[in-house]
Amino acid sequence: AQSVAQPEDQVNVAEGNPLTVKCTYSVSGNPYLFWYVQYPNRGLQFLLKYITGNNLVKGSYGFEAEFNKSQTSFHLKKPSALVSDSALYFCAVRGGGYSTLTFGKGTMLLVSP
Amino acid sequence: EAGVAQSPRYKIIEKRQSVAFWCNPISGHATLYWYQQILGQGPKLLIQFQNNGVVDDSQLPKDRFSAERLKGVDSTLKIQPAKLEDSAVYLCASSPLGRNYGYTFGSGTRLTVV
Repeated sequence: AQSVAQPEDQVNVAEGNPLTVKCTYSVSGNPYLFWYVQYPNRGLQFLLKYITGNNLVKGSYGFEAEFNKSQTSFHLKKPSALVSDSALYFCAVRGGGYSTLTFGKGTMLLVSP
Repeated sequence: EAGVAQSPRYKIIEKRQSVAFWCNPISGHATLYWYQQILGQGPKLLIQFQNNGVVDDSQLPKDRFSAERLKGVDSTLKIQPAKLEDSAVYLCASSPLGRNYGYTFGSGTRLTVV
């Protein structure tokens, strides 16, 4: 079975500082990895994905994520946080075949002015 | 392109009542998903359709939940009878065929069972 772990319930960072939201995964075969963001009372919005190729992928709103196969991690990063980045972030993985996306429990990011 | 449409946005019902949610996916998306998101948890897959066929309903509580996707387009999810623990946000998502694609989610329906 595939699974995703987001070890932090909440990440606090000051505006302008770099941020990292952690994600590790377990899956059979090659992983397909995704990050989504959820604002209050909204559905999930796609940020970025890793399918193959360059381990550093860039996505929406200045976010990027680094795929590390040996550590089975896919941490979300941003060089300079904005207050408007405050939201709930979900990491998701799918493996081979017709497997669907499995989501982590989410990490709340709070960016203070 | 238009997004994934869901209705209603909010629903409050008493336990043992029935409720139905509706989803219209992005035009041309073959695959449709219903997820349940309980407060403080990540979304959990309930059922996956490919066109009008069920691909995965292993986590759907079939004694009370049912879903259909007639004509391979829009879909309805029904709960009958509802329990208190069904209080959650029900998210519909769609995607093209293929593992490379992420999902596009609707805004969800927030169900409160009292």
